[in-house]
Parts: sequence; structure tokens; C-alpha cells
Amino acid sequence: EVQLVETGGGLIQPGGSLRLSCAASGFTVSNNYMNWVRQAPGKGLEWVSVIYSGGSTYYADSVKGRFTISRDNSKNTLYLQMNNLRAEDTAVYYCARSRWLPPSYYFDYWGQGTLVTVSS
Amino acid sequence: SYVLTQPPSVSVAPGKTARISCGGNNIGSKSVHWYQQRPGQAPVVVIYYDSDRPSGIPERFSGSNSGNTATLTISRVEAGDEADYYCQVWDSSSDHPVFGGGTKLTVL
Repeated sequence: EVQLVETGGGLIQPGGSLRLSCAASGFTVSNNYMNWVRQAPGKGLEWVSVIYSGGSTYYADSVKGRFTISRDNSKNTLYLQMNNLRAEDTAVYYCARSRWLPPSYYFDYWGQGTLVTVSS
Repeated sequence: SYVLTQPPSVSVAPGKTARISCGGNNIGSKSVHWYQQRPGQAPVVVIYYDSDRPSGIPERFSGSNSGNTATLTISRVEAGDEADYYCQVWDSSSDHPVFGGGTKLTVL
């Protein structure tokens, strides 16, 4: 059974850093496209970042230069390092696996999410 | 980047048919995916590649896509279908996925 469990959220001051983790089971993270998608309180879904099976990484313009996606193959875990956090980064962060069949991809499994609150 | 437009809300009586639209420039040339998000829960894919249904999703859920509008249709609506629904496509100009703003389905 595929499972994704996010941890690491919490309250952080503006300008601070936080690292989110997503522990996967039932499949191999390194063989898949793995994403972070966020949802601000009362708002819609926003894609944040992806790491492809080959290791390439991509980011939304809103987080480029501040967030870094990575994975630990030995732990089958996905990470999101978030630096220089802003109030507008406040959101529930979901880890999601995506399936790629050109010319599109969709998210087939999601974690339960972890809340990040950026506030002084 | 590519913009997807959804109505903020749709209301339907139990047992009737709900149709949720997702508008975009020539969206018919793209593959559209739909997600259901119940309150306090993570999204779940209900339709992928315009009209395919994952295992475990009732046949009451169907999708279509043509021209500038994609549509998620839910037949014989039940109280448990009350949720937010999001459409999503791949934006080839920016090389990343894009979501619509979401539609809140209310079952009267």
C-alpha cells in the first residue's frame, strides 16, 4: 500500500528556515516524480516543486532561490528545505507522487499534509 | 502562465447531476485531471487524462474536454460528494503543473 507521511511543519518567524520531510512506503521515491504542493488557509492548491527520478529539480517562481527539494534514497524520504520564509508561505504542504505520461502528468498519491505557519 | 478558471461554487440536489467546468485557452488540446478534496483531507484524484477513472472511484464520476472547456460530471449526487474540486493541467510554456482555483460543490 502506498503511503506518504509528512512531518516538520510548525510555527516559524519570518526570515527563518524549516525542513519538511515526507516518508514514503509501498514504492521507491527515487524511481518516481515527487512533488510538494501547498495550500494556503482557505485557498486553492499551488504546485511548489518537483524532483524527477533522474534527479532534476524544478520550482515555482514564488519559491525559486529559497526552497530546495531533495531526497534520501536510503531512507526513501523526500525533503523540502525552506529558507527565508515569508508570511505568504503559510500553508499546508503536501507531498505528492506524480505519474508522467507525455504530454501531461497528474498526482496519484498525496500525503496528509503538514502545516507551516510563518508569523512573528 | 496558463490560467484555469472554475466557478467558485456549484449546488445540486441529491440524486441530480452536477457539472463543474474548467475553462482555459484551447484546453481541449491538453489533458485535464480532476481532484476531490473533502474538508480537512488531502486531495484525491477522481479523473485523469480527461476521462479515465482510478480504481475505487465510482462510475458516477466522468469527465470530458473539448474546445475551451473541460467538465467534471457527477451523476446521482450523494451527500458524500460534497467537497472542493480542482482541475489541473500541465503548462508546457512554464513546464509545470497548474491548478484551477477550485469549485465548492454543495449538496442541498
